[in-house]
Amino acid sequence: NAGVTQTPKFQVLKTGQSMTLQCAQDMNHEYMSWYRQDPGMGLRLIHYSVGAGITDQGEVPNGYNVSRSTTEDFPLRLLSAAPSQTSVYFCASSTSGTGSTGNTIYFGEGSWLTVV
Amino acid sequence: GENVEQHPSTLSVQEGDSAVIKCTYSDSASNYFPWYKQELGKRPQLIIDIRSNVGEKKDQRIAVTLNKTAKHFSLHITETQPEDSAVYFCAAGTYKYIFGTGTRLKVLA
Repeated sequence: NAGVTQTPKFQVLKTGQSMTLQCAQDMNHEYMSWYRQDPGMGLRLIHYSVGAGITDQGEVPNGYNVSRSTTEDFPLRLLSAAPSQTSVYFCASSTSGTGSTGNTIYFGEGSWLTVV
Repeated sequence: GENVEQHPSTLSVQEGDSAVIKCTYSDSASNYFPWYKQELGKRPQLIIDIRSNVGEKKDQRIAVTLNKTAKHFSLHITETQPEDSAVYFCAAGTYKYIFGTGTRLKVLA
């Protein structure tokens, strides 16, 4: 049981490049989210999904796309990287509120992205 | 949109004293309120959580209280120790979770 797995862990991009951050979970969770955390700041919600085929915008969605073709995977795409997107990105998953682990948010280890 | 406000942003306490961090939320549909501790360079770690049908929960030196009417919840850490020094985040939601801006707690030996 690996939990939430994110790749890559570190990435440097040039302005204007595109890339995809991968996220996979093996807990059969229906809910998945992407957050960004700027230095010394809190976690801001980028996009989230309540199930395969269903995604929605969070607090800071501009410049990012997501898709959820399977329950396990929730990739985050940067369309045209900008220096303002330099941040640490966390993928998270959770399930509905039944049982002792219901609602508990499980985080991946994070992806450090630098845009130059 | 939904919002979670967290105060204070920094908190310094003497070792052995108590620390209290407060959060308010705007989405009345929120039913889950976790607290996370984050150390530098690490992912957030869950330390305690509370669901909307409970007013208070305690786990050793850590407790959380929830006032759904006021849309307010708080983290209480008693007998603080140097290893409690970290950044603490609150969050609120149902399947979509909004986080507070964090509190940097320093426990002075």
